[in-house]
Amino acid sequence: GAGVSQSPSNKVTEKGKDVELRCDPISGHTALYWYRQSLGQGLEFLIYFQGNSAPDKSGLPSDRFSAERTGGSVSTLTIQRTQQEDSAVYLCASSLGLAGGYQETQYFGPGTRLLVL
Amino acid sequence: GIQVEQSPPDLILQEGANSTLRCNFSDSVNNLQWFHQNPWGQLINLFYIPSGTKQNGRLSATTVATERYSLLYISSSQTTDSGVYFCAVASNYQLIWGAGTKLIIKP
Repeated sequence: GAGVSQSPSNKVTEKGKDVELRCDPISGHTALYWYRQSLGQGLEFLIYFQGNSAPDKSGLPSDRFSAERTGGSVSTLTIQRTQQEDSAVYLCASSLGLAGGYQETQYFGPGTRLLVL
Repeated sequence: GIQVEQSPPDLILQEGANSTLRCNFSDSVNNLQWFHQNPWGQLINLFYIPSGTKQNGRLSATTVATERYSLLYISSSQTTDSGVYFCAVASNYQLIWGAGTKLIIKP
């Protein structure tokens, strides 16, 4: 596609429910990143994919968070047993993946705004 | 880990003014990027600038890697320049982000 797309745009859920967030990267980009941004804050790195593998999962805040990527394209971020502190904007980015990913320009999607009641 | 500090945290200017935003980082890096997040939350990459100077229209950026800082210049500000400007530096597979400079341009 022309840009990175994310769905849903907004998600309201109840505490304790599971949610799944989706990211479609730019076609041909092998590197994919998930970030979290709390209100008024900078971005917090969650996980990085190169192809279907995740060399760096160090940013996932707890074992309730998991992510996968299939076919080197679409990625899903799953949050199990959501808590109110999970409320944030979840941003996905992609890059070409030629230079170790993090050394390249990253292109961001519009984000998913998650509210846990 | 690497620390990234941005200043000023907030900046309010009249349309047409020039501004300089600063990013200091605590260790040597091989990647520094500037981003603009508009009031609707969309993040746009402005510059990939590990060193040297780049210009794109009214915006330019300079990174002095040996002194561990980068500057973003905005000339002849427009109301559409409003938003938050972030710098981010690479550490391993992560981009470490500053807290941002919130810029408001008044008409």
